[in-house]
Order: sequence, then C-alpha cells, then structure tokens
Amino acid sequence: GIQVEQSPPDLILQEGANSTLRCNFSDSVNNLQWFHQNPWGQLINLFYIPSGTKQNGRLSATTVATERYSLLYISSSQTTDSGVYFCAVDSGGSNYKLTFGKGTLLTVNP
Amino acid sequence: DTEVTQTPKHLVMGMTNKKSLKCEQHMGHRAMYWYKQKAKKPPELMFVYSYEKLSINESVPSRFSPECPNSSLLNLHLHALQPEDSALYLCASRQGSGNTIYFGEGSWLTVV
Repeated sequence: GIQVEQSPPDLILQEGANSTLRCNFSDSVNNLQWFHQNPWGQLINLFYIPSGTKQNGRLSATTVATERYSLLYISSSQTTDSGVYFCAVDSGGSNYKLTFGKGTLLTVNP
Repeated sequence: DTEVTQTPKHLVMGMTNKKSLKCEQHMGHRAMYWYKQKAKKPPELMFVYSYEKLSINESVPSRFSPECPNSSLLNLHLHALQPEDSALYLCASRQGSGNTIYFGEGSWLTVV
C-alpha cells in the first residue's frame, strides 16, 4: 500500500511565527487531504489538494504530485493552531482506503 | 451540509457489556468508514462500507461488529471488549474513492 511520511514529527513555535509541514507519499494519488485534529479529537478538513496550490486565510497548501509531496504552510501562527496536523492519501479507483501519515504535533506558545 | 454525526460522544462500558456506536450522514455519500485512534497515533482504519456493503475489514476482532442499515447510517456494535480497546472511534463518509472525506467528532470509548 501507499506509504505516507510527515515531517517534522514535532514543532514548537512562538505566536506569530510561520511554519511549513511536509508530507511525502510513495505512489501516485487521487486524493490528498490535510487535517487539523484539535485537542477534543475532532478532525477538521483543511484542504483537499491532490495537486496544485490552495489558500485559505493564513493557511495554504501545495501538492507536487509528480514529485510525490505536499506542503502545508501556516503563517502568523496563533495558539489556536496548536494540535496535530495529518496528511492522508488514497490512490483512487476501487480502493477506498485512506492512509494517514503519523502527523505533526504543533505547539504554538503565546 | 457537510456534517457527520456520531453518538454517543462518550461511552464507558464494562467488559461484559454490549453497546453500539452510531453514525449518520445526509450528504448522499456512498462510502462510510470506521476508524480507531489511540492517543498520539494516527487514525487506524477498521471498516469501509461502499454502497451499503462491507468492502474493507482490516482484520478487526469479531468483538467489533459493523452494520450499515441504510445509506445514511453506520453502526458499530461492541461486545466483550477489552480495556485496550479504549480509544477514540471516528466515523467518516465520502462520495467515493478519491473524493473529500468528512469525519464526525468521534466517540470516546472507555472499557473498564
């Protein structure tokens, strides 16, 4: 199956700093999503981005499908950005299995 | 509406109890999922239903029994669980493979 690696595993920032999270995947994908899991466990959709670039406020994401990686950018970080960020992929077709990376634990200090 | 609703939010059960987790979506999605998540780990796939038929079972112990009564509902029946089954159970749905997947808020299960 597809392998997904995220880096860094942990990241500590001061409020206001910028950061880049990376997701590498081992095969071509039809779906790539970024999620933020808050301290209450809820997985919040950030981006559906199998290719290209998207922006939503202070967050943006870029997927370079041909090179099998995706980047999530967080600018002007806030304490509410703290939590775990997951990348998840699937290969599409008849395969419904969505594979998660191990996540990046982000802590934003005031 | 991009909502997946899970009940209950919290459940404490003994090892001899029988309980169920419920999940509902009204987005017309044809694929529904159960994931299990332990602390500091990513969600781990348990089951996938596609068009109300079980399409993936990730070798889950039989004490977990999924059921898809109709295209909007997904249940997870729990029986004779062990303390190590305590976890966050997440339901999700999407239109099909390759589409955006949406997660519910999860059910926190504690087995005592």
